[in-house]
Amino acid sequence: EAQVTQNPRYLITVTGKKLTVTCSQNMNHEYMSWYRQDPGLGLRQIYYSMNVEVTDKGDVPEGYKVSRKEKRNFPLILESPSPNQTSLYFCASSFVAGGRQETQYFGPGTRLLVL
Amino acid sequence: QQQVKQSPQSLIVQKGGISIINCAYENTAFDYFPWYQQFPGKGPALLIAIRPDVSEKKEGRFTISFNKSAKQFSLHIMDSQPGDSATYFCAAYPPGNTPLVFGKGTRLSVIA
Repeated sequence: EAQVTQNPRYLITVTGKKLTVTCSQNMNHEYMSWYRQDPGLGLRQIYYSMNVEVTDKGDVPEGYKVSRKEKRNFPLILESPSPNQTSLYFCASSFVAGGRQETQYFGPGTRLLVL
Repeated sequence: QQQVKQSPQSLIVQKGGISIINCAYENTAFDYFPWYQQFPGKGPALLIAIRPDVSEKKEGRFTISFNKSAKQFSLHIMDSQPGDSATYFCAAYPPGNTPLVFGKGTRLSVIA
């Protein structure tokens, strides 16, 4: 089954404790992206990657890191989480055709609470 | 320039009624306009999309109306059903490899 998977789905942590949220897709998509979703603010892009070893900042990159060492994986790293990073996080992926993304497929989300 | 403004923020519609969600944009370079549907506890999923060379696209009960001169597009859900209750996001694609721009979402509740 074609899908984007995220782990963990739920996470409670404390301020300053490094964490990684994994994202994996089995569709051979070139493009991958991370979003956070907060009430009233919609989906805001954190980082994106057009292909392996190519990453770019989105709208809200502060406090986050990403890496794209393999085509299928795009982990999101919070080196020192803070309470304002409490949010619902989505990973998404898509093909790239003619230099642009096509339809994005989203993962099921990771709900993070930072105490 | 890169924003998509979506309204209303929330919408309550009677079963069988028409739900209408509107989006407006400034950047005339946007060239593809998808709508995503998100159910509680799930990620958004593509619902329907339109290119600016057509004024309307219909898929079942869902229709996108596109007004290029006004830089507006809207989603119409005919015969709205309780199962349509979800959050809807409009979006716009800039050309090139610039990421997709999302509206802030509309939470639709269809009541019996």
